[in-house]
Amino acid sequence: QVQLKESGPGLVQPSQTLSLTCTVSGFSLTSNSVSWVRQPPGKGLEWMGAIWSGGSTDYNSALKSRLSISRDTSKSQVFLKMNSLQTEDTAIYFCTRWGYSSDYWGQGVMVTVSS
Amino acid sequence: NIVMTQSPKSMSISVGDRVTMNCKASQNVYNNIAWYQQKPGKSPKLLIYYASNRYTGVPDRFTGSGSGTDFTLTINSVQAEDAAFYYCQRIYNSPFTFGSGTKLEIK
Repeated sequence: QVQLKESGPGLVQPSQTLSLTCTVSGFSLTSNSVSWVRQPPGKGLEWMGAIWSGGSTDYNSALKSRLSISRDTSKSQVFLKMNSLQTEDTAIYFCTRWGYSSDYWGQGVMVTVSS
Repeated sequence: NIVMTQSPKSMSISVGDRVTMNCKASQNVYNNIAWYQQKPGKSPKLLIYYASNRYTGVPDRFTGSGSGTDFTLTINSVQAEDAAFYYCQRIYNSPFTFGSGTKLEIK
């Protein structure tokens, strides 16, 4: 069955770079796209970006200068890297399978930006 | 960028009632809207895509409607388990902006 699982450090220091991995199963990254969504504590959802089945990417313009999404299709993994982290980047980070919408979601990983 | 505005921010409804919540796009998005349900501590779940298509396994008491700039999610005969946040999202063309959400409480 389709599954996505996010992994990465729970704590990142301010100004450092966040690196997250989304490991997927039950579908191919060459036939499906993956998006990243985040949710600050007690707040709403923010679409961050996506990597399409063909390998191209799309980013939220508000994050574009700091954000990079890539993948390793052989390992069924999608990567998120975001630099210059600040406290307002504290959030739960989700990866989702993207078809015509986010039909499958990972459980999310909580990332706290703090010294 | 297109802004998605949801209303109301919260509502309190009794079991069995009908509830309607709204999502307004700042520009024409045709029927390119999805709705999600998120319960506390859980990942969002897809309810509706392309404005009115119910996702697999979603109970038929959930109905999406609208086109252009104004969209509605209706829940007929609300159940206790429907207590959650509901989000709309622009789809098809990026950026895939979310609305700020509507909190549904059950009395």
